Amino acid sequence: GQQVMQIPQYQHVQEGEDFTTYCNSSTTLSNIQWYKQRPGGHPVFLIQLVKSGEVKKQKRLTFQFGEAKKNSSLHITATQTTDVGTYFCAGPGGGNKLTFGTGTQLKVEL
Amino acid sequence: NAGVMQNPRHLVRRRGQEARLRCSPMKGHSHVYWYRQLPEEGLKFMVYLQKENIIDESGMPKERFSAEFPKEGPSILRIQQVVRGDSAAYFCASSPTDSKVQPQHFGDGTRLSIL
Repeated sequence: GQQVMQIPQYQHVQEGEDFTTYCNSSTTLSNIQWYKQRPGGHPVFLIQLVKSGEVKKQKRLTFQFGEAKKNSSLHITATQTTDVGTYFCAGPGGGNKLTFGTGTQLKVEL
Repeated sequence: NAGVMQNPRHLVRRRGQEARLRCSPMKGHSHVYWYRQLPEEGLKFMVYLQKENIIDESGMPKERFSAEFPKEGPSILRIQQVVRGDSAAYFCASSPTDSKVQPQHFGDGTRLSIL
């Protein structure tokens, strides 16, 4: 079955440092979505990418969809403590369900 | 516009009891998805339902677990004869159409603890 892996699993950064999480799918994706889950919270939709090579920005967050539509990345510039949480990518997993990536847990230290 | 509502937020059961988790999707959403999340792990798809129909239950254990989404009322995830391994956070999500093009909106989850 489809597998969606993310690296790294954990990342500790100092506030102000940059952060990147990478998402890799075993199959080609028609689109990819990114979610953020704060500690003790629920996943919140961030963005969806559809086109090959697409790049989208949300303030300090930059999302990229690979040319082959099998990988994606999320880059955060100058992290803040409010960025703490786990970031998940998710892609269509056959039928009408989403397959979520393994997630990258980000901790930001002052 | 109220979001996805799940209740209860926390549920404690003893081994062998039944657990019923409820989910009311966002207004206008007819697609409901249930996920299970163990501590420090990702979201595992369990079941996808539309009104009165189970569309995909490939992620749900064959025994003890069932789900429904009746014409009237919330979607219910039912776990019979709970065991310690059922302890997890169960999240419900909804979307207005199938999730291939629409984001999923999640509820706050039900944290199930089995004593």
